[in-house]
Amino acid sequence: SQTIHQWPATLVQPVGSPLSLECTVEGTSNPNLYWYRQAAGRGLQLLFYSVGIGQISSEVPQNLSASRPQDRQFILSSKKLLLSDSGFYLCAWDQVALAKNIQYFGAGTRLSVL
Amino acid sequence: DQQVKQNSPSLSVQEGRISILNCDYTNSMFDYFLWYKKYPAEGPTFLISISSIKDKNEDGRFTVFLNKSAKHLSLHIVPSQPGDSAVYFCAAGLSGGYQKVTFGTGTKLQVIP
Repeated sequence: SQTIHQWPATLVQPVGSPLSLECTVEGTSNPNLYWYRQAAGRGLQLLFYSVGIGQISSEVPQNLSASRPQDRQFILSSKKLLLSDSGFYLCAWDQVALAKNIQYFGAGTRLSVL
Repeated sequence: DQQVKQNSPSLSVQEGRISILNCDYTNSMFDYFLWYKKYPAEGPTFLISISSIKDKNEDGRFTVFLNKSAKHLSLHIVPSQPGDSAVYFCAAGLSGGYQKVTFGTGTKLQVIP
């Protein structure tokens, strides 16, 4: 069966510090991978998606970047965090051949920038 | 531009009664729709979906209705249980290529025992 791991669960970082959130998927190959952010009253906002290694598409301009160094690894980064980067970050995967149109989410990371 | 809207941020229902969560969308090209359930500090989990070729899909206590002419879908939970208390997100997507879906803002359901 497929599983998705996301860590850390919570993170408190000072303004201006770097960020690295990691997400890995097990039990499948060549998944589509996604980073979302949940903000109050804004639902789930898609930040980045990737259809393959090294292929990253950004949905909104922001202070964050994403990378996919391996097939089942997706990393969300920032060189210098802003207060506005605080939020709940979710990684998700899907695969057309496996489960049509359904995305599977990790447990999320609560990021507080102080 | 919020293409998928859930106009009710919260809903309270008595245990055993019906919960109806609503969702509206603006893009007529969306051809599939999903509902996700989310507990605090957890990721959303898939609940039920419906293709645009259908107007109803049922799975146990959960039924999703789609009205394409009104660009409206709803999730019915019957009977509601305290464990159903969560935030519910509707989502809409376009088939083909990678499966980008657009999520609504969520409705927080509270089922009162």
